[in-house]
Amino acid sequence: DTAVSQTPKYLVTQMGNDKSIKCEQNLGHDTMYWYKQDSKKFLKIMFSYNNKELIINETVPNRFSPKSPDKAHLNLHINSLELGDSAVYFCASSQDKTNRIPPLHFGNGTRLTVT
Amino acid sequence: KNQVEQSPQSLIILEGKNCTLQCNYTVSPFSNLRWYKQDTGRGPVSLTIMTFSENTKSNGRYTATLDADTKQSSLHITASQLSDSASYICVVRGTYKYIFGTGTRLKVLA
Repeated sequence: DTAVSQTPKYLVTQMGNDKSIKCEQNLGHDTMYWYKQDSKKFLKIMFSYNNKELIINETVPNRFSPKSPDKAHLNLHINSLELGDSAVYFCASSQDKTNRIPPLHFGNGTRLTVT
Repeated sequence: KNQVEQSPQSLIILEGKNCTLQCNYTVSPFSNLRWYKQDTGRGPVSLTIMTFSENTKSNGRYTATLDADTKQSSLHITASQLSDSASYICVVRGTYKYIFGTGTRLKVLA
């Protein structure tokens, strides 16, 4: 009954390959996010989707493309992987309300290693 | 520029001791501030939220403070346990964005 689940947990691939990371949340939240955590443990937002619409797209290379087939899913596709893409990628969700800003609920991360 | 800075970067304490983690921010406008705990290999989990009007809030052995004038927050952990070993991340919510601090890595030794 995991609230936010990501697959795979570990992903090792070679430079130039294309890969996808899947994320699903069963909390009924309307907003989902992708974060990148670098080697210094700094979490940086990449994308935010609200009700299947992109609302935040930080300055990430266009090799990264989020896909949201429905409110409960936000997948991350990465083309032409580079060494610098190696990091831990976290999916998160939240249910923003007009008078209260709830916490982010994070998945357990996908550790991507590009060789 | 919206920034969140945390100190110390890392901290080692003995089990049973208390410790305090610091968070300074320059986010404007300010909406709220949350402390998250991130265990190794897991995603961050919210510990507590501080809004503009709140000064102190406790959640078990965790006590968070907020000084909106100086834009500082602290997280005090009382009677630390081995399970407190984790990274603690301060996150400030602006108008539409969450601004993350770089975290404090806490190690509690037996």
